[in-house]
Amino acid sequence: DAGITQSPRHKVTETGTPVTLRCHQTENHRYMYWYRQDPGHGLRLIHYSYGVKDTDKGEVSDGYSVSRSKTEDFLLTLESATSSQTSVYFCAISESIGNLFFGSGTQLSVL
Amino acid sequence: QQQVKQSPQSLIVQKGGISIINCAYENTAFDYFPWYQQFPGKGPALLIAIRPDVSEKKEGRFTISFNKSAKQFSLHIMDSQPGDSATYFCAASQSFQKLVFGTGTRLLVSP
Repeated sequence: DAGITQSPRHKVTETGTPVTLRCHQTENHRYMYWYRQDPGHGLRLIHYSYGVKDTDKGEVSDGYSVSRSKTEDFLLTLESATSSQTSVYFCAISESIGNLFFGSGTQLSVL
Repeated sequence: QQQVKQSPQSLIVQKGGISIINCAYENTAFDYFPWYQQFPGKGPALLIAIRPDVSEKKEGRFTISFNKSAKQFSLHIMDSQPGDSATYFCAASQSFQKLVFGTGTRLLVSP
């Protein structure tokens, strides 16, 4: 998957706990994204980054924060997980806007 | 608000038939229209893309038809094969802006 590694691949957690998902790339691409995929909603952008320490909100950013301290790593944090955040989370990278390369996803279940 | 509307939600086609998936958009500033293909357990992958200065783009058995006046674009899969069974997402973006995805179409090609 184009040099993108997401970890963990699966996680089960309890409501109210913090959760951090990690995306690591070896492509040295400038842009990194976090999407969530839910039935009937397709892929929705949570946050994205256009460089180290440069991030911005997507359409469903409430309840999520991100950090990018190095070009290769983009972290997604759920401050206090809720059941509505049960989803499949995808990281994506691109050198130019439009051509996204996706990781294999993280299945998160919040009980 | 769904900026890109995709239909149908699911589609069953016999082997050798033509699969057609449609998308419609409202934002006339969109200038890049990709299609992504996703197999179970994998992240989406770019399949084919078009810009609005052409009405059709073909790559092998996959064709995008684009109707700028109707603000619609579609994916045609000719001679559909069981290996084409996947979920397909249309998307759109405005120059140097983020991709907006449709809700996805689950295609099943029966042998």
